[in-house]
Order: sequence, then C-alpha cells, then structure tokens
Amino acid sequence: EIVMTQSPATLSVSPGERATLSCRASQSVSSNLAWYQQKPGQAPRLLIYGASTRATGIPARFSGSGSGTEFTLTISSLQSEDFAVYYCQQYNNWPLFGPGTKVDIK
Amino acid sequence: EVQLVESGGGLVQPGRSLRLSCAASGFTFDDYAMHWVRQAPGKGLEWVSGISWNSGSIGYADSVKGRFTISRDNAKNSLYLQMNSLRAEDTALYYCAKGAARRVVVADDYWGQGTLVTVSS
Repeated sequence: EIVMTQSPATLSVSPGERATLSCRASQSVSSNLAWYQQKPGQAPRLLIYGASTRATGIPARFSGSGSGTEFTLTISSLQSEDFAVYYCQQYNNWPLFGPGTKVDIK
Repeated sequence: EVQLVESGGGLVQPGRSLRLSCAASGFTFDDYAMHWVRQAPGKGLEWVSGISWNSGSIGYADSVKGRFTISRDNAKNSLYLQMNSLRAEDTALYYCAKGAARRVVVADDYWGQGTLVTVSS
C-alpha cells in the first residue's frame, strides 16, 4: 500500500519569495504524480500532471519536478493569489492524495 | 466550458442510503474517466471511486469498498455514486471530477463545486 507524505505541513512565505513544496511516495509511482491547489471554499484546481507538465492555463511560475518517490512543486515568486493548500496525488495505482501543505503569508 | 454539477447530498441517518449524481457538460463525456473525491470538514482530499470511460474499469477506496457503487450513463452525460450503509465518517463534501484521459488511473483536470453529505442521527 502506497503512502503519500508532504512536507512541510505549513510553509510561511512572503509575497515575491520562492516556495518549495515536497511530496514523497512510499514506493515508486514513476511520473504519475499531480499537484492541486485548493483555496478556501473552492474546489481543487489541477496545476501539474505527469510530475512536471503544467495544466492548461497554469502560470509559468509553477513548476514540478521529480520521479519515482521524490517530487517537488516550486512556485518561483509567490503572488497573493497563491496562498492556498497544495496537495500531491499519485495515480500510478488507484489515486491517493497526500495530506497537503498550507502556504500562508509570512 | 466544462461544467460538473453535483446533486443528491443531504442529511441522512447512519445505516441509510443516498445516491449522488453529477451532470456533465462542455466536453465529450464518454471519452473520459470520472471520479468521486470527498473532503471531510476541515480535512484533506480523499479519493473515493473512479470509473473508466466505458465502465470497464472501476475502483474504490478501501474505506468505501462494498458499500458504495459508482456508475455512469454516457447517454445522459451523468455520473452516479450509490452510497449504502452510511457512517458518520462518510460526512464530507463530495466532488465529481473529470479524468484527463479514458483510463481510471489519471489526474483530474476539472472539478465540480461539490455536494455535502451529512450522516447523523
């Protein structure tokens, strides 16, 4: 059974700074990894799929990397609208989400 | 424009049943897998169930296996979730989500706004 972990649980960042979020799978999921953003009261939004491919309409400041068991979501310069919770999801097997990382304002 | 509109949520007693529906529009429904994902109040996302484009492949989370049944009607552009033997821990906002491909094991590129299910006596 795959277990997904995300770190840190909370990341405090100032606007304009770079944010780096980590996601780890307990066993290899190849590149079958997605990242979602969720703001309060809203449905999740797909940011990245295939570990590194931006979804339609996602700004270039969002980038994903990694394969196997270690993945990273980088937001190069945080904008006010980027403060949210971010979830990784593996879909190498039946889909499974990580517990999320909350990005808040420092 | 892709639209996913869930319905059927509400307050239900433990042990009873509920059927959720999701009406899809703005895309060729029978070309894509579909999923149900839930979120308990104040908690993270939990994948519940998924179904491939032709219903040939179906999966469930262990937490709902044997109690929930997913189905789709491609002629009606609709997705369903039959929930039986409901428990308090099934209380959540249930999202309908469109898969990015025909197979079930895929990311979800569009989501509805959710329908709230509350299981309580």
